Amino acid sequence: DAKTTQPPSMDCAEGRAANLPCNHSTISGNEYVYWYRQIHSQGPQYIIHGLKNNETNEMASLIITEDRKSSTLILPHATLRDTAVYYCIVPDGFYFGSGTKLNVKP
Amino acid sequence: GAVVSQHPSRVICKSGTSVKIECRSLDFQATTMFWYRQFPKQSLMLMATSNEGSKATYEQGVEKDKFLINHASLTLSTLTVTSAHPEDSSFYICSARDFRGGNNSPLHFGNGTRLTVT
Repeated sequence: DAKTTQPPSMDCAEGRAANLPCNHSTISGNEYVYWYRQIHSQGPQYIIHGLKNNETNEMASLIITEDRKSSTLILPHATLRDTAVYYCIVPDGFYFGSGTKLNVKP
Repeated sequence: GAVVSQHPSRVICKSGTSVKIECRSLDFQATTMFWYRQFPKQSLMLMATSNEGSKATYEQGVEKDKFLINHASLTLSTLTVTSAHPEDSSFYICSARDFRGGNNSPLHFGNGTRLTVT
């Protein structure tokens, strides 16, 4: 069973930041949280992962709360091509929850 | 970056036949590979975890005799759907972990195989 919960959908205006939350309250102390996205009929694409420090790469930033029970994926300047289902997962089985469908609108 | 190749991307087969799907890690070695399936408008469902050189671990409700998984090398895992039926029609996706990255390395996914059983 999935160890994470996410809102089912979010809207974001093109060019604005998209902030995608994830709850992983049962995460263990040494488990990373991983973020992926899936565009229709493709395999999931890796975005970023982190343990407890905030992380940034060319795709996104990841903010993890101090208690590690939740995190937020930030796409700083969303484009139409960022429209996808975003998943956060933890390595306790790598089970996928329902994810968040991000709709980026012009 | 790490690349996972999955083949075929699409297959149509007749009911009662078997279909083999290959998953290869192209530029890294993967001691562990994961197989998922995804029905329309649903999330990915983990089917099994395969470790190189040993038997796969199947999730509850997944028939191991129907979904045969072989992970004979560090770069190749196969999923064979035996005696396929229309209800097996789905999107099958494999993933692999880059062993070099250690226990924290992310999964890298193939582009999936669309299986249609007629």
